[in-house]
Amino acid sequence: SQQGEEDPQALSIQEGENATMNCSYKTSINNLQWYRQNSGRGLVHLILIRSNEREKHSGRLRVTLDTSKKSSSLLITASRAADTASYFCATNSGNTPLVFGKGTRLSVIA
Amino acid sequence: EAGVAQSPRYKIIEKRQSVAFWCNPISGHATLYWYQQILGQGPKLLIQFQNNGVVDDSQLPKDRFSAERLKGVDSTLKIQPAKLEDSAVYLCASKPLLSYEQYFGPGTRLTVT
Repeated sequence: SQQGEEDPQALSIQEGENATMNCSYKTSINNLQWYRQNSGRGLVHLILIRSNEREKHSGRLRVTLDTSKKSSSLLITASRAADTASYFCATNSGNTPLVFGKGTRLSVIA
Repeated sequence: EAGVAQSPRYKIIEKRQSVAFWCNPISGHATLYWYQQILGQGPKLLIQFQNNGVVDDSQLPKDRFSAERLKGVDSTLKIQPAKLEDSAVYLCASKPLLSYEQYFGPGTRLTVT
C-alpha cells in the first residue's frame, strides 16, 4: 500500500511563479523524502527531512513537516521550465521500505 | 561517479514470454532495490538486497518474478511468464549502507502485449 498521498495530482504554473505540493501520510515516520522524476527517467533525490525537523531548505526548495498533521509540503520558488517533472514524497518508518506516493505532475510554462 | 546502470531501456514481449532486466549499482553501495512503477503511480518496492542477501521480498510475486544478486554487486530481475499487468517501468536503485538517500537508474520500460 502507498502511504504518501500527494496533492494536487497535477499543477500547471507560469515560469517564475512558486509551486507548492503537499503530501499526507498515515503512520509515524523516521523521515520523509522528496524525489523528482523527469519524463522517461529515473528518480532523483531532492531533500530529506527528519521527523524531529520542521523545515528544511535546499536552494530553491523549501520543505516543511508537520508530524501532528502527518503532512509535508514542498515549495519550489521562482520555478523554471526545467522544473517540469513529477514529484514524489516517500516515507521511512522504522525498518520498513521506503513507501512512495502517487506523485504530483508539475508543468512549468515558459 | 558513475550512476546506476540498467539494461535494456525498453523491452516489448508477448504475454507468457520471459524477460530479464539487469542492474549495476553505484560502486560500493551495499543496498540494492528493484521497484515496479505502473503508469501514473509511484514506485512500488519488489525486492531489497543488502550485499547478496534478501532483506525484503514481501511484495515480489514469487510465482512469476525472481531476482538475484549473486556476488553482491549487479543484479538481475526476471519475469516468467509475463502477464499484461506486468507492463510497467522497472527501476533499480542503490544506496550506501548508512544513508537514506536512494540513487535510481533510468529504468526499463516493459510492454507486454
